[in-house]
Amino acid sequence: DTAVSQTPKYLVTQMGNDKSIKCEQNLGHDTMYWYKQDSKKFLKIMFSYNNKELIINETVPNRFSPKSPDKAHLNLHINSLELGDSAVYFCASSPPRNTEAFFGQGTRLTVV
Amino acid sequence: DQQVKQNSPSLSVQEGRISILNCDYTNSMFDYFLWYKKYPAEGPTFLISISSIKDKNEDGRFTVFLNKSAKHLSLHIVPSQPGDSAVYFCAASLTSLWGSWGKLQFGAGTQVVVTP
Repeated sequence: DTAVSQTPKYLVTQMGNDKSIKCEQNLGHDTMYWYKQDSKKFLKIMFSYNNKELIINETVPNRFSPKSPDKAHLNLHINSLELGDSAVYFCASSPPRNTEAFFGQGTRLTVV
Repeated sequence: DQQVKQNSPSLSVQEGRISILNCDYTNSMFDYFLWYKKYPAEGPTFLISISSIKDKNEDGRFTVFLNKSAKHLSLHIVPSQPGDSAVYFCAASLTSLWGSWGKLQFGAGTQVVVTP
């Protein structure tokens, strides 16, 4: 009974390709996020959506485009993948006005 | 710029003893602090938090202390158990700004190993 689920868990792709990572939460939360954990293990926020509306965009290249079809889903689409995009991407969600985010298990993206 | 810092990348402690993890931050506007625990190949899980209006919060074996003047917080785990072996992330948030309550600034993490 996974609360925040991401697919796929692993993704290996070539430079220049376009790929998507899906995220779904069954917690009824209004706010969802994408975080990136780079090779130095730093977790950094990329985007935040509240009720399908973009709230935070942390200077992420526009090759990254989040899409929220409804408040339970926040997908991440990445165009023209680069080697530097290799990282672990975490989806998360939280209740309204609540900082205690619940994280998915992560998607390890490897660009070759 | 890294506004939340965990200067100890690793900590080894014997089972039953106290684990003390430290975290420093630079932004005095942060008003909410959290600790997350992460096992390999899993996402971070929330452990304990503290508001800037408090200096201590306790939940079972876990206690978080906040020293605002020093911009420092610490997590104490007593007694440490083998299942506590994980990476612990300190995080901070600026909840006073609308929409930023989930924008967590994370430290680099501390790997804790609890030995029998």
